[in-house]
Amino acid sequence: GNSVTQMEGPVTLSEEAFLTINCTYTATGYPSLFWYVQYPGEGLQLLLKATKADDKGSNKGFEATYRKETTSFHLEKGSVQVSDSAVYFCALSDPVQGAQKLVFGQGTRLTINP
Amino acid sequence: EAQVTQNPRYLITVTGKKLTVTCSQNMNHEYMSWYRQDPGLGLRQIYYSMNVEVTDKGDVPEGYKVSRKEKRNFPLILESPSPNQTSLYFCASSLRAVLSYNEQFFGPGTRLTVL
Repeated sequence: GNSVTQMEGPVTLSEEAFLTINCTYTATGYPSLFWYVQYPGEGLQLLLKATKADDKGSNKGFEATYRKETTSFHLEKGSVQVSDSAVYFCALSDPVQGAQKLVFGQGTRLTINP
Repeated sequence: EAQVTQNPRYLITVTGKKLTVTCSQNMNHEYMSWYRQDPGLGLRQIYYSMNVEVTDKGDVPEGYKVSRKEKRNFPLILESPSPNQTSLYFCASSLRAVLSYNEQFFGPGTRLTVL
């Protein structure tokens, strides 16, 4: 079945550091890939997405590239801020399954210190 | 404002006492879904609905029921809650049911504790 594996957290960085959160996936078809972010006390919100191989999703300084050859969708940001502290979820949606079902990774908690 | 709302936000109950968590969206979305979030497990799908009167099981449906009588509402029913259903629950919706690249919009969550 489909699955998503994220790097284990928690991750703690200083402000202005470079961020990478690794994500790899297993899917039967050609999935769409997503990063969702959950700020403290809130629901999830879409951060970025990519729908086909070699697509790059970007938003708020975050980027991720859909790499079919390595089945990866790593999240990166060049200079993190305290306000980026949150839990980040990698997810996929596989059209082969028909309905729009999201399969999530376990989440990575990120803390940015000033 | 376009949003997904859930009620209640927090609930403490006892084993066996039936409860309903409501979910409503004002975006005329076809697709709605319930997830539970547990530490180290990410989010897992409980039930989903492709449209009015069309529902199906997700990955962890045991102990839950749903209904979709109106497009905007998708309540989650726990007929006889047990402590292993203590979790953080999220409702989500999406414009079209069969487009895998659509964004899902999430509610603020309901934290349920079953004693």
